[in-house]
Amino acid sequence: KNEVEQSPQNLTAQEGEFITINCSYSVGISALHWLQQHPGGGIVSLFMLSSGKKKHGRLIATINIQEKHSSLHITASHPRDSAVYICAVRGASGGSNYKLTFGKGTLLTVNP
Amino acid sequence: NAGVTQTPKFQVLKTGQSMTLQCAQDMNHNSMYWYRQDPGMGLRLIYYSASEGTTDKGEVPNGYNVSRLNKREFSLRLESAAPSQTSVYFCASAGSPHIGEQFFGPGTRLTVL
Repeated sequence: KNEVEQSPQNLTAQEGEFITINCSYSVGISALHWLQQHPGGGIVSLFMLSSGKKKHGRLIATINIQEKHSSLHITASHPRDSAVYICAVRGASGGSNYKLTFGKGTLLTVNP
Repeated sequence: NAGVTQTPKFQVLKTGQSMTLQCAQDMNHNSMYWYRQDPGMGLRLIYYSASEGTTDKGEVPNGYNVSRLNKREFSLRLESAAPSQTSVYFCASAGSPHIGEQFFGPGTRLTVL
């Protein structure tokens, strides 16, 4: 079973700060996902990556397959970025089954 | 496109009552999933359906049953609700053309008294 660990569990930042959330996993994967969940809200997929780096607006996701580690960065953070960020991995067997194993999430609060 | 829809949004049950949570997607996805989310636990897979006509147990299937009614619909049934099933339930789907990416419904908040 793939264990997914996120750090930190909670993060408080001031508006404008650079944010980093980390995710480590224990066995080989075919893809890693970053998801966002606003308080009381639904879950939205931010990134899916299997190598390298992806960027969308102020969000950047990186993955190091050898080290089994991924980071989610937020540049110029804003209060609307306050949410729970969830890391999830898909096992290396792949195929047509897209089952994911989830981390427990990182609660980010950005103060104005 | 509505994406993934779930009904109801909220439900309160008494111990022993039964109910069915409904999920539908309009993205022509093959795979559908039911998760529960509990404080401090993260999302846990209850059941999934890799394709129409198939269903499989996930991490926490006890106390639940599922039906993949057709390609669009995947329902979750609680036959005899227990307080331990108080949770937020999410349905998700995945498949071509968004290979691997999961799309989530808005969730159902269930309380069992």
